[in-house]
Amino acid sequence: GDSVTQMEGPVTLSEEAFLTINCTYTATGYPSLFWYVQYPGEGLQLLLKATKADDKGSNKGFEATYRKETTSFHLEKGSVQVSDSAVYFCALSDPSRSGYSTLTFGKGTMLLVSP
Amino acid sequence: DTEVTQTPKHLVMGMTNKKSLKCEQHMGHRAMYWYKQKAKKPPELMFVYSYEKLSINESVPSRFSPECPNSSLLNLHLHALQPEDSALYLCASSQEGGGKAFFGQGTRLTVV
Repeated sequence: GDSVTQMEGPVTLSEEAFLTINCTYTATGYPSLFWYVQYPGEGLQLLLKATKADDKGSNKGFEATYRKETTSFHLEKGSVQVSDSAVYFCALSDPSRSGYSTLTFGKGTMLLVSP
Repeated sequence: DTEVTQTPKHLVMGMTNKKSLKCEQHMGHRAMYWYKQKAKKPPELMFVYSYEKLSINESVPSRFSPECPNSSLLNLHLHALQPEDSALYLCASSQEGGGKAFFGQGTRLTVV
């Protein structure tokens, strides 16, 4: 079945450092790819998405590019802030369930940013 | 309005209780979802409703009973739960045909 693999956390960075969180996927079709963020005690917020190969999603300084050849969707940010501390989930939508947005999530990567 | 609203935010219930979780959205989305998230784990899909009909049940135990009274509301009725059912229950909605899913803040359920 479909699956998403994320790098293990926590990722610990100083403010203004460069961030990369790796994400690779396995899918039988052509899924849409997403990054969601979860702040402590809260639900999930969509951070960015890409729906086809070579699409770049971006939001709030975060970027990720849909790479079909490497089945990857790595999250990057040039300069992190303390407020970016959260858990980041990479996810894909099941292409066999085209009428819905059923999501398969990676295990999540906790990001801790210190001042 | 791009919000999915869940109530209550926190719920503590005994194993013999009956309770309900509620979810509401006013974005005109025709697909609604329940996910379960255990601590330090990713969310896992439980149910999908499309046009108020149950479309997907991911082999969820019958002590969880979903209901979609209308296109804006989604309930999850709970009965005879076990302590291991303690988790964050997340509701989501999306347009018919897929696309991005919007999540609520979740209900943190503790079964004692």
